[in-house]
Amino acid sequence: DQQVKQNSPSLSVQEGRISILNCDYTNSMFDYFLWYKKYPAEGPTFLISISSIKDKNEDGRFTVFLNKSAKHLSLHIVPSQPGDSAVYFCAAPDNYGQNFVFGPGTRLSVLP
Amino acid sequence: DAGVIQSPRHEVTEMGQEVTLRCKPISGHNSLFWYRQTMMRGLELLIYFNNNVPIDDSGMPEDRFSAKMPNASFSTLKIQPSEPRDSAVYFCASSLLQGYEAFFGQGTRLTVV
Repeated sequence: DQQVKQNSPSLSVQEGRISILNCDYTNSMFDYFLWYKKYPAEGPTFLISISSIKDKNEDGRFTVFLNKSAKHLSLHIVPSQPGDSAVYFCAAPDNYGQNFVFGPGTRLSVLP
Repeated sequence: DAGVIQSPRHEVTEMGQEVTLRCKPISGHNSLFWYRQTMMRGLELLIYFNNNVPIDDSGMPEDRFSAKMPNASFSTLKIQPSEPRDSAVYFCASSLLQGYEAFFGQGTRLTVV
C-alpha cells in the first residue's frame, strides 16, 4: 500500500526566508502528487501539483520538486510570509491511481 | 461556484444517538470522498463514490458507518449508533474525475459525549 511520510511535524521559519517542506512516498506506479494547505477550522485547500513529466512546478512563491528515483518531493515557499502559517499535507496516488493518500502534515509557522 | 458545502459545521451528540452528516459537492464533479481527520490517524479516506456509485468503502471503520449518494448533488454519512471514539472532523471532498485533485468542504466537527 502507498505510504506517505512527512517526517517534520513542525517547522518554524523567519519571514522572508525560504520554507522547505519534505515528503517521501513508497509506491511510484503513478507519478502525480499534490500539496494541500490547511488553516485551523477550515478544510484542506489544494495548493500545487506535480506530475512525472516534470521535476519541478512553480506557481508564484510556491515551487514543488520531484525526485522520482528517491521517491521524494519537496515544497519550497520563498519568500515565506506570516500568512503561510498553516499545516501542509503532501498527497500521493494510491495503488490504483484513483485516490490520494495523505501524509500526516507539517505545521509551518512563519515568524514576523 | 460555492465550493463543497457541508452541514452541520459542528455536531454534539450523546453516545448511542444517530448522526447524519451532509455534503453537497461542486457541480459537475464526478467523484466524492468522505475523510475523517483525527490526531492519531491524520486524514483517512472512509469511502468514495464515482458517478454516485460507491467504489471503495474499505476505509469505513465499522458497520455503524454508512454513506449514500442518492444523486450527483448530495451525499450523507451516517453513524448509528455513535460512540465517543467517533469524535473527529469529517471532511467531504469532490473532484472532477478520479485521480484528480479534490476540493474539500470546511468539515463537520463531531463530538460524541
